[in-house]
Amino acid sequence: AQSVSQHNHHVILSEAASLELGCNYSYGGTVNLFWYVQYPGQHLQLLLKYFSGDPLVKGIKGFEAEFIKSKFSFNLRKPSVQWSDTAEYFCAVNPVNNNDMRFGAGTRLTVKP
Amino acid sequence: DAGITQSPRHKVTETGTPVTLRCHQTENHRYMYWYRQDPGHGLRLIHYSYGVKDTDKGEVSDGYSVSRSKTEDFLLTLESATSSQTSVYFCAIKGAGPVAFFGQGTRLTVV
Repeated sequence: AQSVSQHNHHVILSEAASLELGCNYSYGGTVNLFWYVQYPGQHLQLLLKYFSGDPLVKGIKGFEAEFIKSKFSFNLRKPSVQWSDTAEYFCAVNPVNNNDMRFGAGTRLTVKP
Repeated sequence: DAGITQSPRHKVTETGTPVTLRCHQTENHRYMYWYRQDPGHGLRLIHYSYGVKDTDKGEVSDGYSVSRSKTEDFLLTLESATSSQTSVYFCAIKGAGPVAFFGQGTRLTVV
């Protein structure tokens, strides 16, 4: 079965710092890739997605992610974080040929004002 | 929000009792999912459904059963609740496209 690894469990940054959160998956076939964000006390919301085409995808709130097929990675980036980005971030993988969707363990981001 | 309602939002129950959580959608989406969220584990798939009466197990299905008798409702039952099932449960729905939308979650405490 496929798995999703998020290497950073808790990241603490100051405002205006740059962010990169790692995500690797173990599935050899074609996949759809997602980053979801969960603000404190709320449900998961889609941040961005990759289906095909340009491997650099842009999402809401200035986030972007790059799909590197050879590395099975889909890392999330933001050039300058804000205090309001404090949340938990989840990477998710959905193989194209089935409807199973698996999530990583999540990375908690704390941004200090 | 994507028209998903989970009920109840909070529940405290005793060990050994059966518990049913409900996920209701107004989007007529085909696919519905139940996840549990635990610190350090992220979201883990319990069961999912790809149509009325069509369900399949996820990675942590032991101790859980599901039913989907109508497109709009997906029920998750803990047959005999244990303390290890204390968690936050999220329902998700997905239509023809690959994007899943999540409900607000149900916080379940088993004492």
